[in-house]
Amino acid sequence: AQSVTQLDSHVSVSEGTPVLLRCNYSSSYSPSLFWYVQHPNKGLQLLLKYTSAATLVKGINGFEAEFKKSETSFHLTKPSAHMSDAAEYFCVVSLTRDDKIIFGKGTRLHILP
Amino acid sequence: DARVTQTPRHKVTEMGQEVTMRCQPILGHNTVFWYRQTMMQGLELLAYFRNRAPLDDSGMPKDRFSAEMPDATLATLKIQPSEPRDSAVYFCASGLVLTAWDRADYEQYFGPGTRLTVT
Repeated sequence: AQSVTQLDSHVSVSEGTPVLLRCNYSSSYSPSLFWYVQHPNKGLQLLLKYTSAATLVKGINGFEAEFKKSETSFHLTKPSAHMSDAAEYFCVVSLTRDDKIIFGKGTRLHILP
Repeated sequence: DARVTQTPRHKVTEMGQEVTMRCQPILGHNTVFWYRQTMMQGLELLAYFRNRAPLDDSGMPKDRFSAEMPDATLATLKIQPSEPRDSAVYFCASGLVLTAWDRADYEQYFGPGTRLTVT
């Protein structure tokens, strides 16, 4: 069965320190992978996506993610957190053969001053 | 700057009433999604359409919910009759989904949502 697991429901980091949001997936074949961000009372916005090209993907606002097939992971990172990064982040997998989209349960990122 | 629009942005209604939410996808997008978000359940995919045809509505309660795309510029989600447990934010998203032999690019653009309160 296909699945997405976001390993942390909440992450707290200090402003200026690195961010790591973890995502693992389970799939029988090559997926497409996405990270979305949702700020309070807003819709979701695409941060970055992996479809089949470079395994290190750069997104908006300084975020990037690395697709590691051997670890079935697609962790989201940022070198230096900013207060405006406080939001909820969703890891998403899409699978063509089943025409399925699977959302992770989300990770809420808190930025400490 | 192309955007997905949703109307109404807020809706308060009484239990038993019909509710219709509308979505205008981005022009040229071939796939439209409906989601529901609550504190308890998080984000749930209700249904989605490709080229106006329903692809998957397995996440939608069939007895009271219905989703349609009368034309390429309008998607609707109806609840009849509404119940307090339907209170949530409902998001519409659209995307241009291109499929290769083993991969689909489900990049989605989300609308601002409709906040529904059923009393």
